[in-house]
Amino acid sequence: DVKVTQSSRYLVKRTGEKVFLECVQDMDHENMFWYRQDPGLGLRLIYFSYDVKMKEKGDIPEGYSVSREKKERFSLILESASTNQTSMYLCASSLGPHQPQHFGDGTRLSIL
Amino acid sequence: TQLLEQSPQFLSIQEGENLTVYCNSSSVFSSLQWYRQEPGEGPVLLVTVVTGGEVKKLKRLTFQFGDARKDSSLHITAAQPGDTGLYLCAGASGGGADGLTFGKGTHLIIQP
Repeated sequence: DVKVTQSSRYLVKRTGEKVFLECVQDMDHENMFWYRQDPGLGLRLIYFSYDVKMKEKGDIPEGYSVSREKKERFSLILESASTNQTSMYLCASSLGPHQPQHFGDGTRLSIL
Repeated sequence: TQLLEQSPQFLSIQEGENLTVYCNSSSVFSSLQWYRQEPGEGPVLLVTVVTGGEVKKLKRLTFQFGDARKDSSLHITAAQPGDTGLYLCAGASGGGADGLTFGKGTHLIIQP
């Protein structure tokens, strides 16, 4: 079974802090994704990566960056956290870009 | 931009009733996936449908892909409290590398 592990279930940070969200998958998947999920807005794609050191912007990349130094790890970085980045963040991986995605349990991030 | 509209947005019914939720688009998808997300967890894949007109059954859940591959439905027979959750449909366009298009989901509550 594919396992996608997100480093924190809950995180509280302050405005202006640099925040790192980590995601690790154990199935050698090429593709990894970061989403945020907000009530009424559904899942919105922030960034995705289809190979090591490769990254592509999703629908809402502003205020975020990502890092994929190793195939199994995909990190989301909030450069200077703001209150409007309070959200549930979900990481996912898949064998191919249109294959079923396997999700982590999410990180509920609060920016105060 | 491809969009997937899910309806209804919210549904609360009694245990034992039947229900259908819908996923509609004006775009053609090469395949469509259904996920269920329970509170505090990430979405989990239920099924993938690929062929126009395809019907798949998962115990009391029946999934259908429209003939034109633009829409899909999920029918639950004799709903149980354990069916409670957020149901998401996601379409694969077959081209590009930017992953899946997700609907905003149907929040389903089955009351005992």
